[in-house]
Amino acid sequence: QVQLQQSGTELVKPASSVKISCKASGYTFTSNYMHWIRQQPGNGLEWIGWIYPGNGNTKYNQKFDGKATLTADKSSSTAYMQLSSLTSEDSAVYFCARGSLFDYWGQGVMVTVSS
Amino acid sequence: DIQMTQSPSSLPASLGDRVTITCRASQDIGNYLRWFQQKPGKSPRLMIYGATNLAAGVPSRFSGSRSGSDYSLTISSLESEDMADYYCLQSKESPLTFGSGTKLEIK
Repeated sequence: QVQLQQSGTELVKPASSVKISCKASGYTFTSNYMHWIRQQPGNGLEWIGWIYPGNGNTKYNQKFDGKATLTADKSSSTAYMQLSSLTSEDSAVYFCARGSLFDYWGQGVMVTVSS
Repeated sequence: DIQMTQSPSSLPASLGDRVTITCRASQDIGNYLRWFQQKPGKSPRLMIYGATNLAAGVPSRFSGSRSGSDYSLTISSLESEDMADYYCLQSKESPLTFGSGTKLEIK
């Protein structure tokens, strides 16, 4: 069965970076887009961007240009998102979601930015 | 960017009610519209794709429709397990954009 297993909760300091992961199983990782979505506390959903693991192509929401970097490791079927220059505004839950349908989602990673 | 205006933001309803949530697109998005359900502390769940297609495993009391630039999610007879937040998403054009959400709660 399809599963997206995300890494654990992160507590990070302002101005630092964090890299979170999304390990895929149960389907062909290289043939499906992987989307990343942010949900700030008490707020709605924002699309960050996608990566196509088959060729590494990416597309970002301009709002997250320079903030998020998406990569993928085909050998381990894992997608990654690195967030840089963190501020309190980046405190949120981050989800990965599969493909054009968004039919499978990871469980989410809570990132808290605090000194 | 395409704006998705979702209404209402909050919807008190009784069990057995027929309820409708609407998203209006600021530009043509064709049928590139999905609906998601999200319960507290959980990941969103795909309910409807292609504006009108029921996702796998979704109860038949859920349906999606389109009238011009207005997209609706309807629950024909509300059950307690349907109490959740609902979001629309347009995927016609980057950046993909979500509606602001509707909190469906018991009256």
